[in-house]
Amino acid sequence: GNSVTQMEGPVTLSEEAFLTINCTYTATGYPSLFWYVQYPGEGLQLLLKATKADDKGSNKGFEATYRKETTSFHLEKGSVQVSDSAVYFCALSDGGGGSEKLVFGKGMKLTVNP
Amino acid sequence: DTEVTQTPKHLVMGMTNKKSLKCEQHMGHRAMYWYKQKAKKPPELMFVYSYEKLSINESVPSRFSPECPNSSLLNLHLHALQPEDSALYLCASSRLAGVHEQYFGPGTRLTVT
Repeated sequence: GNSVTQMEGPVTLSEEAFLTINCTYTATGYPSLFWYVQYPGEGLQLLLKATKADDKGSNKGFEATYRKETTSFHLEKGSVQVSDSAVYFCALSDGGGGSEKLVFGKGMKLTVNP
Repeated sequence: DTEVTQTPKHLVMGMTNKKSLKCEQHMGHRAMYWYKQKAKKPPELMFVYSYEKLSINESVPSRFSPECPNSSLLNLHLHALQPEDSALYLCASSRLAGVHEQYFGPGTRLTVT
C-alpha cells in the first residue's frame, strides 16, 4: 500500500539556519504530494503541493520538488524564522482506484530559537 | 474564502453524554472529512463524505456517528464515548474526493471524563 516516510525529529535550529526535512514515499500510482504545517494548538494548513514529476511547490520561502526517480519530496527553506516553529507533515494522495485518502508521514516538530 | 470552521473549539463531556461537533465550509467543496488526531501523531482518517454521501468509514466505532445535512455542513455526533477518545477532531474539505488538496479546520479539542 501507499506510505510516507519522513524525518521525525524533533529538530531545533537557530534563526536564519537552513532547513531540510526529508520525505520519501511508496505509491503504486502517480500520487500528488503535499506538505502540511501544524502550528501549536491549531489545525493543519496546506503549505505547498506538487501533482506530477519534476513539479516544484513553493510558499512562504519553503520549496519542495517532486522527484519520481528517488520517490522523494524533501522540504527546504533557506533561512528559518522563529515563526516557522511547528510540526511539518509530508502527505500523499493517490486518487487512483477510488482512493480518497491522504496518507501522512509521522510528522516532524521544528523549533527555531532566536 | 478558503476557511473551514469548526465548533466548539473545546468540549469536555462525560461518558454518558451526547454531544455533536460541527464543521462548515463555503468553498463549494463536495468532499468533507473527519479526522482524529492524538498528541504527537498524524491525523487518522475516520470518515469521508462525497456529494453528501458517506463513501469511507474507517471501521470507526458506532459511538461516533457522522452526518452531512448539506454540501456545506458536516456533523459528528458523539455518544457513550470512552476516555481514550479524547483527542483533537479535525474536519477537512476538498473540491472533490481524491487527489485534490484538503483544507483543514482548526479542530475541536475533546476531553472525555
